[in-house]
Amino acid sequence: DTAVSQTPKYLVTQMGNDKSIKCEQNLGHDTMYWYKQDSKKFLKIMFSYNNKELIINETVPNRFSPKSPDKAHLNLHINSLELGDSAVYFCASSRRAGGNYGYTFGSGTRLTVV
Amino acid sequence: AQSVAQPEDQVNVAEGNPLTVKCTYSVSGNPYLFWYVQYPNRGLQFLLKYITGDNLVKGSYGFEAEFNKSQTSFHLKKPSALVSDSALYFCAVRDVVSIFGTGTRLQVFP
Repeated sequence: DTAVSQTPKYLVTQMGNDKSIKCEQNLGHDTMYWYKQDSKKFLKIMFSYNNKELIINETVPNRFSPKSPDKAHLNLHINSLELGDSAVYFCASSRRAGGNYGYTFGSGTRLTVV
Repeated sequence: AQSVAQPEDQVNVAEGNPLTVKCTYSVSGNPYLFWYVQYPNRGLQFLLKYITGDNLVKGSYGFEAEFNKSQTSFHLKKPSALVSDSALYFCAVRDVVSIFGTGTRLQVFP
């Protein structure tokens, strides 16, 4: 069983389109995250949810909107896609927010905006 | 603010030789430090963590890391490198969320 699963794995779309990425974890973790990895492999936190509540919202354009219907799911919707949004987006989860818990990552969604 | 630095973009080592991947940290208070590995086209995988206690932490795949408070370092080590260890390695410090270093590419040559 995949612990943190993301769909789709690859996403190619045109500028201006709206797209969503889904994430689900079956670990019973309370906290979920979205990270963006750019072409230089830098990882940057975008959002964090704890028990469906948004706790971290970094400086991310308003075109990005996370949604957590329950603590096992954290989806990312992106409006009006731009070329600069091309990256790999990783979902992750941890048992609790903060503290000494490591993360379990999904395998990533490679978004290419053309 | 918490941060980590990985001073080397790439580390090259021959198979069978010991390897070290460097990480230094800057935190206020007690650090929670982590190492992750990323293989091509995969998500990051947790290797090990330091919370408190012994300065030498053992993790997955024969890796270990040494916490050094005076040097504010948390270097990743392995006594004998394998070609299959070739990957991208990230150091991280835990704040409200994990802050990752810029990554170090480890290349192990046969």
